[in-house]
Amino acid sequence: GDKVKQSPSALSLQEGTNSALRCNFSIAATTVQWFLQNPRGSLINLFYLVPGTKENGRLKSAFDSKESYSTLHIRDAQLEDSGTYFCAAVGAGNYKYVFGAGTRLKVIA
Amino acid sequence: DMKVTQMPRYLIKRMGENVLLECGQDMSHETMYWYRQDPGLGLQLIYISYDVDSNSEGDIPKGYRVSRKKREHFSLILDSAKTNQTSVYFCASSLEQNTLYFGAGTRLSVL
Repeated sequence: GDKVKQSPSALSLQEGTNSALRCNFSIAATTVQWFLQNPRGSLINLFYLVPGTKENGRLKSAFDSKESYSTLHIRDAQLEDSGTYFCAAVGAGNYKYVFGAGTRLKVIA
Repeated sequence: DMKVTQMPRYLIKRMGENVLLECGQDMSHETMYWYRQDPGLGLQLIYISYDVDSNSEGDIPKGYRVSRKKREHFSLILDSAKTNQTSVYFCASSLEQNTLYFGAGTRLSVL
């Protein structure tokens, strides 16, 4: 089965609203990363996380290694937030990051 | 300037031809990666390199090989390309287990 499962697979948001994306892990993840793939295809780093939370502007991410999940919260969604969000996880002493299948987000005016 | 550079950006090949995808980074990262991205599947790891001449298979290595002769360069080679290797290929680098930095990708079509 999927080692990294992302939900939802797709999402449409009204501009100005909030939402949360989630990743569940079936591996003993020790580090998580979140990326945004923009409509041009570029992968942009959003967060690098060990267990805990980080915040950057309108984005906030949390990683709970004991419960094996991570979340990405988007506050006050803007049109430029549209794209596909990926999470990736790796276990202790392992450098082989495993990616989820992504959440396709469309922000509409 | 921290950068991962992939060449070429677009490539069209015929089935059976050899393909060379090149990747460079200017951050002196020991670890480099090749992923492929197909619709609905996210990114799948083909190979990882821990340093010069220290390469390891990822989840889908069949049909690919890699070369890392200098720390800043990591090549992906397809000997006798197949149509099911049509995909977008991403190279990445990282300092140990830390943040992955991705290149812009190479879109390969095998006809």
